[in-house]
Amino acid sequence: AQSVTQPDIHITVSEGASLELRCNYSYGATPYLFWYVQSPGQGLQLLLKYFSGDTLVQGIKGFEAEFKRSQSSFNLRKPSVHWSDAAEYFCAVGPPNTGNQFYFGTGTSLTVIP
Amino acid sequence: GAVVSQHPSWVICKSGTSVKIECRSLDFQATTMFWYRQFPKQSLMLMATSNEGSKATYEQGVEKDKFLINHASLTLSTLTVTSAHPEDSSFYICRGPTDTQYFGPGTRLTVL
Repeated sequence: AQSVTQPDIHITVSEGASLELRCNYSYGATPYLFWYVQSPGQGLQLLLKYFSGDTLVQGIKGFEAEFKRSQSSFNLRKPSVHWSDAAEYFCAVGPPNTGNQFYFGTGTSLTVIP
Repeated sequence: GAVVSQHPSWVICKSGTSVKIECRSLDFQATTMFWYRQFPKQSLMLMATSNEGSKATYEQGVEKDKFLINHASLTLSTLTVTSAHPEDSSFYICRGPTDTQYFGPGTRLTVL
């Protein structure tokens, strides 16, 4: 069965520092991959997605993610974090050929300190 | 494009009552919609897949008689929480098919 692991429950970074959030998945084929951000009490906003092609994906708000097949990973990165980036981040995988369902990791809570 | 709306955005109800949550696709037609539930400070859990014109498909452990899903048209899917209890209090979110990847804004249900 497919699974998504976000090893870091909570991360604290200083404003202006770089950020990397980890995501590992388990599936027999290459799934669709997504990163979402959720502010407190709010819905989800899509940051970026990977279906195929270039393994380095650019998203909104200065985020990027790199798909590494050999490591079954899809880590999210940002070179310089802003205070407004504090939120919950979810990685999701959407295995192809399963009716478009997809499943979420447990999330990483990001705190940004001045 | 690919906008999904939900109504209501929040609802408070008494234990034992039923609550209906609507999920509408505003600028696309969807034969399939997905319903998720999110408990505080937890991840989203897929509850069920609603299918236009046919029965919904429920994930393991989700009570189909308690969470009634109706996909009456290509733009509307509804989730009814029947005989709600405090443990049903949660954030319910719907989503369109993968090629849109867009979620509704969510409905906060509080059962007293």
